[in-house]
Amino acid sequence: GESVGLHLPTLSVQEGDNSIINCAYSNSASDYFIWYKQESGKGPQFIIDIRSNMDKRQGQRVTVLLNKTVKHLSLQIAATQPGDSAVYFCAEKGSGGSNYKLTFGKGTLLTVNP
Amino acid sequence: NAGVTQTPKFQVLKTGQSMTLQCAQDMNHEYMSWYRQDPGMGLRLIHYSVGAGITDQGEVPNGYNVSRSTTEDFPLRLLSAAPSQTSVYFCASRRTGLGAEQYFGPGTRLTVT
Repeated sequence: GESVGLHLPTLSVQEGDNSIINCAYSNSASDYFIWYKQESGKGPQFIIDIRSNMDKRQGQRVTVLLNKTVKHLSLQIAATQPGDSAVYFCAEKGSGGSNYKLTFGKGTLLTVNP
Repeated sequence: NAGVTQTPKFQVLKTGQSMTLQCAQDMNHEYMSWYRQDPGMGLRLIHYSVGAGITDQGEVPNGYNVSRSTTEDFPLRLLSAAPSQTSVYFCASRRTGLGAEQYFGPGTRLTVT
């Protein structure tokens, strides 16, 4: 099946800086994308999502950008805080049907240095 | 609401033993699913259900069985555990329909020796 991958397995930033986590996807028919945050010892937690008919969506301190031309997804975290340290996963859903099977990327470990 | 709950939190099995990982949700979600998470592999879908009495296979279903007799519960059964099933297992639930948020349980860490 199609796979979702991440450019960088680890990212280290200083507190207060902006973070950008990237994700490449290969299924051009995917119509829905999600970013999850997973803290150590916990289950993934929803951060933000975006549909394929959009190219940008903003939440609280987070922005997701979707470039369908190059099949690239990014998560931007503004003013990164120590509490943002976690593994971040992107996930995609293929088009069609109410079936909600997601394909997850391998994850990027974000470390925020105080 | 308790959200998605999973038991046990940790489990050690010997090869060939069987066990059931429990998952329950109190949000009346139609869709429930099981994932396994291995280092460097991300989350992979094992089985999923779109409602009581309806289940289907995901990406890695071999060695696992599921059933969905109620909306709330979605147990995952390992009939004969193998070391390759050592992993962290996550249950998730959501309403059906695009855009509904998927909620994950806290996970079960399983070791098969």
